[in-house]
Amino acid sequence: DGGITQSPKYLFRKEGQNVTLSCEQNLNHDAMYWYRQDPGQGLRLIYYSQIVNDFQKGDIAEGYSVSREKKESFPLTVTSAQKNPTAFYLCASSIPVNSGGTDTQYFGPGTRLTVL
Amino acid sequence: RKEVEQDPGPFNVPEGATVAFNCTYSNSASQSFFWYRQDCRKEPKLLMSVYSSGNEDGRFTAQLNRASQYISLLIRDSKLSDSATYLCVVSSMDSSYKLIFGSGTRLLVRP
Repeated sequence: DGGITQSPKYLFRKEGQNVTLSCEQNLNHDAMYWYRQDPGQGLRLIYYSQIVNDFQKGDIAEGYSVSREKKESFPLTVTSAQKNPTAFYLCASSIPVNSGGTDTQYFGPGTRLTVL
Repeated sequence: RKEVEQDPGPFNVPEGATVAFNCTYSNSASQSFFWYRQDCRKEPKLLMSVYSSGNEDGRFTAQLNRASQYISLLIRDSKLSDSATYLCVVSSMDSSYKLIFGSGTRLLVRP
């Protein structure tokens, strides 16, 4: 089965701790993305990566870090510097238009992070 | 002004009704347009892409008006299972890699 997996589904963290969210895809997509969604709001882009070993900040990158060492994996670390980390985190992937794709993004099931 | 604006709703309609959502976007250079569906506490899933010529998929019809910079979604013969939040999505002016998501329009279909 091809798809995007995120783990864990629910995560609880004490204030001041760093935590890493996993995102893996076996769709052979070049581009991967991390979004944050707060209740009643749209998705906001945290970081994105177009190719391995390269990534760019999105609109709300402060307090987050990422790595892209493998095409299949794009983990997100929520650091203690993130002031309000409780949210629903969504990972997505796509084949960009200039790589023969359609810009459509496909999402993983998400990780719901709660800071206690 | 938000880059993508939607009426948050909720739209509360009876089964079998026809309902339409509109969405406006600010970047006239946007090239890609989509409607996604998001169920409560789930991830967004692609409903349909939106093309200049308009497109239809069963009970769903999407249209794009570039001159007025709006996108519409029409749902005919509403089912209870159509209850969800519908997200309007537009490509970013910065790069074709980035998409801008509206906050969504919530639809409730009642028996």
